[in-house]
Amino acid sequence: AQTVTQSQPEMSVQEAETVTLSCTYDTSENNYYLFWYKQPPSRQMILVIRQEAYKQQNATENRFSVNFQKAAKSFSLKISDSQLGDTAMYFCAFMKGVNTNAGKSTFGDGTTLTVKP
Amino acid sequence: DVKVTQSSRYLVKRTGEKVFLECVQDMDHENMFWYRQDPGLGLRLIYFSYDVKMKEKGDIPEGYSVSREKKERFSLILESASTNQTSMYLCASRLGLNAFFGQGTRLTVV
Repeated sequence: AQTVTQSQPEMSVQEAETVTLSCTYDTSENNYYLFWYKQPPSRQMILVIRQEAYKQQNATENRFSVNFQKAAKSFSLKISDSQLGDTAMYFCAFMKGVNTNAGKSTFGDGTTLTVKP
Repeated sequence: DVKVTQSSRYLVKRTGEKVFLECVQDMDHENMFWYRQDPGLGLRLIYFSYDVKMKEKGDIPEGYSVSREKKERFSLILESASTNQTSMYLCASRLGLNAFFGQGTRLTVV
């Protein structure tokens, strides 16, 4: 079974600064997908960024980027130029494959990020 | 935009009641999921479905059942609600690599 660990229950950052959220996972699979989801106080969970394990290049989406270390089974999220709207709970998630068990995901416990003005 | 709609944002039910949580998606997705979210425990999968009338247990199915009679609707049923089922419930649907979540239902069992 896969496990996903987020070791930072809470973090805070000043507006405009950079913050990195940590995630490690455990799997015996070689091909899989990793995700970061954001859940703002309004509660609707949305996808922030996705990484395919077979890709060596780290994924980037505007101010959000990941540091994917496959051998170390580490998948951290970097948020640059933090904005007040980035305040949310962030979940790291693992998925074996789209066609495996309907693409069900394993989630970490979440990191609550507060961006301070 | 894909929409995943959960029928209620807040529910208060009594111990022993039968509770239905409804989830509807408008994009013809085959795969749908019910998660439970508790502080410090992340999201835990209760049940999922990969087609109409097809369902499989997730990691914590005890005390729950599901129904998927139509592709767009996936219902979570608490046969006899208990106080330890007080939680936030999230529905999701998936197409390929993209998952879409509902706004959540906060259920309180008293």
